[in-house]
Amino acid sequence: QVQLQESGPGLVKPSQTLSLTCSVSGGSISSVGHYWSWIRQHPGKGLEWIGYMYFSGSTSYNPSLKSRVTVSIDTSKNQFSLKLNSVTAADTAVYYCARGTRQWLGDYYDYWGQGNLVTVSS
Amino acid sequence: DIQMTQSPSTLSASVGDRVTITCRASQSISVWLAWYQQKAGKAPKLLIYRASTLQSGVPSRFSGSGSGIEFTLTISSLQPDDFATYYCQQYNSYSTFGGGTKVEIK
Repeated sequence: QVQLQESGPGLVKPSQTLSLTCSVSGGSISSVGHYWSWIRQHPGKGLEWIGYMYFSGSTSYNPSLKSRVTVSIDTSKNQFSLKLNSVTAADTAVYYCARGTRQWLGDYYDYWGQGNLVTVSS
Repeated sequence: DIQMTQSPSTLSASVGDRVTITCRASQSISVWLAWYQQKAGKAPKLLIYRASTLQSGVPSRFSGSGSGIEFTLTISSLQPDDFATYYCQQYNSYSTFGGGTKVEIK
């Protein structure tokens, strides 16, 4: 059974960089056809896809966040990470890591982490 | 960007009711649509992918249909465990989610 676990600070100051890591167990981050994604949910709101990385190194980001986002993978640790630069209060959200399973050109998300609430505040 | 619009935003129903939630895409997404269930404080759970394929382990009272721009999620007989918020997600181009439908107790 694949399990994902986010880790990282719960509080980030405005203008700084939000950094989160997702540890994957029960499966390989190098598995074919799986895209390792970050998704966020603003308090009381819906879900917003942030971006993904494939083990080969290919990435894709939400155009609305692309200039501030980097997703990376460490295959040796079976982990992937999110960096979001120049954060503001609007980036306060629960951040989920998820495994995307590729169909056609996109992914549905079959495994999720439990979520990590990140608050942006001074 | 492909926008996903769910209706209704809130639905009041009783145990045993048949419940239908609709999701409409701003342009055709073929069958590249998934449905999720989310309970308070928890991560979303995948119910259906490719518009109508039931994820392993999901009860058969859940079903999905549709293609193109209009899709539905149906719960044939609502159970106490089904009171939650439901989201659709298109994955034809990038990934976008609907605004959610909260199913509450009538």
